[in-house]
Amino acid sequence: QVQLQESGPGLVKPSETLSLTCTVSGGSISSYYWSWIRQPAGKGLEWIGRIYTSGSTNYNPSLKSRVTMSVDTSKNQFSLKLSSVTAADTAVYYCARDSVSIAARNWFDPWGQGTLVTVSS
Amino acid sequence: QSVLTQPPSVSGAPGQRVTISCTGSSSNIGAGYDVHWYQQLPGTAPKLLIYGNSNRPSGVPDRFSGSKSGTSASLAITGLQAEDEADYYCQSYDSSLSGWGVFGGGTKLTVL
Repeated sequence: QVQLQESGPGLVKPSETLSLTCTVSGGSISSYYWSWIRQPAGKGLEWIGRIYTSGSTNYNPSLKSRVTMSVDTSKNQFSLKLSSVTAADTAVYYCARDSVSIAARNWFDPWGQGTLVTVSS
Repeated sequence: QSVLTQPPSVSGAPGQRVTISCTGSSSNIGAGYDVHWYQQLPGTAPKLLIYGNSNRPSGVPDRFSGSKSGTSASLAITGLQAEDEADYYCQSYDSSLSGWGVFGGGTKLTVL
């Protein structure tokens, strides 16, 4: 079955750009929306945004000015960039597959195992 | 402050039934949008538990069930087991926030 794996630096300095990649295995990345979701320690889940394999994106309005997502279908990967990070961006970052294209019905499954990104100097 | 409101914690003894509520508004659950539930065991990623209000993915025991009415949804767990101790999150869509994934704040289930 489809599996997702996040990768990227675990430590990012304040004001710099956080960059993560999600590699999809066991299936094609094509014809699905793919999302990033984060979870600060001890807190709840926050949806960051999603990207379709055509490159079309939708971002959380609260993060939109700092988020860029991209997709590389040849590598079965999609990526997240979050600029001008602060300590408030410290969290476990998950990638996940959107199960349906209709936003009003969508759920997330499967999820990657998550990767902790700490923002600190 | 989460768009969807869940109780911070619930508890129950083994074998008992517990319910977890997820309260929204007219721009999300009350507008008819689907509600989904996730289980997050300690130190692991969330796992889909219920989708489309009341559907169980393959492999999820029928002890878990979901329902929706008005502006709220509920997750019920019967025959509580120690392995059910986890955080549970509801998720839906909110038309006022242009958000594809609005989550509840999560509920910690403790099995006594």
